[in-house]
Amino acid sequence: AQSVTQPDIHITVSEGASLELRCNYSYGATPYLFWYVQSPGQGLQLLLKYFSGDTLVQGIKGFEAEFKRSQSSFNLRKPSVHWSDAAEYFCAVGAYTGTASKLTFGTGTRLQVTL
Amino acid sequence: DAGVIQSPRHEVTEMGQEVTLRCKPISGHDYLFWYRQTMMRGLELLIYFNNNVPIDDSGMPEDRFSAKMPNASFSTLKIQPSEPRDSAVYFCASSQNYNEQFFGPGTRLTVL
Repeated sequence: AQSVTQPDIHITVSEGASLELRCNYSYGATPYLFWYVQSPGQGLQLLLKYFSGDTLVQGIKGFEAEFKRSQSSFNLRKPSVHWSDAAEYFCAVGAYTGTASKLTFGTGTRLQVTL
Repeated sequence: DAGVIQSPRHEVTEMGQEVTLRCKPISGHDYLFWYRQTMMRGLELLIYFNNNVPIDDSGMPEDRFSAKMPNASFSTLKIQPSEPRDSAVYFCASSQNYNEQFFGPGTRLTVL
């Protein structure tokens, strides 16, 4: 069974600073990897996804993530954080069952941005 | 498209009562997922449907929970009887095959 570890529960960064959120996964085959963001009281919005190909993927809102198979990681990065990026971020791994991708989510990292 | 629609957005009920949560997926999406989010357990997949047929309900916690999808535009998640430990945010999501899942805003359930 697949699993996802997000080792940082809370992260605080200053506006304008760079950001890296860590994600490690466990899965026996080539994974489908996702990063979602959840603002307070809202559902989850997809930031970016990796299925295959280029290991550096670009997403919305200036986010990017790099798939590193040797480290089983899919870390999320942003070069300059904005106050509006404060939210909870979830990494997920998808297991393709032949019909749909069942997602297993990490426990999330809550990002606080100081002005 | 309006996105995934869930109702109600908030539900407060007393232990032992029946609770029904509703979801309207995005038109054209043939997969529908129900998740539960709690502080203790995070986001858990409860059940998912493909073309209105339940495919995997292994995440449904117990027999008090049931889900149906009578047509392509409507699904319900029912808890009967409800218990305080069912208090959580319940999300519905829809997708086309294995691609991005689109999430609804969630229903915050409080069982007193």
